[in-house]
Amino acid sequence: AQTVTQSQPEMSVQEAETVTLSCTYDTSESNYYLFWYKQPPSRQMILVIRQEAYKQQNATENRFSVNFQKAAKSFSLKISDSQLGDTAMYFCAFIGQGGSEKLVFGKGTKLTVNP
Amino acid sequence: NAGVTQTPKFQVLKTGQSMTLQCAQDMNHEYMSWYRQDPGMGLRLIHYSVGAGITDQGEVPNGYNVSRSTTEDFPLRLLSAAPSQTSVYFCASSRGGQSGYGYTFGSGTRLTVV
Repeated sequence: AQTVTQSQPEMSVQEAETVTLSCTYDTSESNYYLFWYKQPPSRQMILVIRQEAYKQQNATENRFSVNFQKAAKSFSLKISDSQLGDTAMYFCAFIGQGGSEKLVFGKGTKLTVNP
Repeated sequence: NAGVTQTPKFQVLKTGQSMTLQCAQDMNHEYMSWYRQDPGMGLRLIHYSVGAGITDQGEVPNGYNVSRSTTEDFPLRLLSAAPSQTSVYFCASSRGGQSGYGYTFGSGTRLTVV
């Protein structure tokens, strides 16, 4: 079974600075997808960024980028120029290619951006 | 385009009562799932469906039933509510097909069982 581990329950960063959230996963599959979801206080789950395992190039979306290390099974999220609106829970998630397409989540990291 | 619609947004139940959480999507997605979110636990999969008429259990299925009679709807039934089912429930849908699009989520239902 796949597992996703986020080792940082809480983090904080100053506005305009850069922060990196960690995620590791365990799987025996060779092809899969990884995601970061953001959950602000509104409770809505928002897809931030996705990475396809067979692509070596790290995904980027504006101020958000990932560092994907397939051999190490690591998938960290870097937020540049942090903004107050980035304050949220961030969840790392995994979908295997085994056919069921079940989305498996880590326990989340609570990020607070301080003014 | 409404996306994934969950109703109700809030609900208080007494222990032993039953109820159905509604979920509907208008994106013609094949895959649908129900999750519960508890503090410090992330989102845990309750039940999921890969198409109309096909459902399967997730990580925490006990006390919940689902059915998928249409592509659009995927209701979650609580048979006899217990305080341990106090949680926030999310419905989600995906295009599926091993495309890696990820899931689109509803806005959640906060359920309290007293």
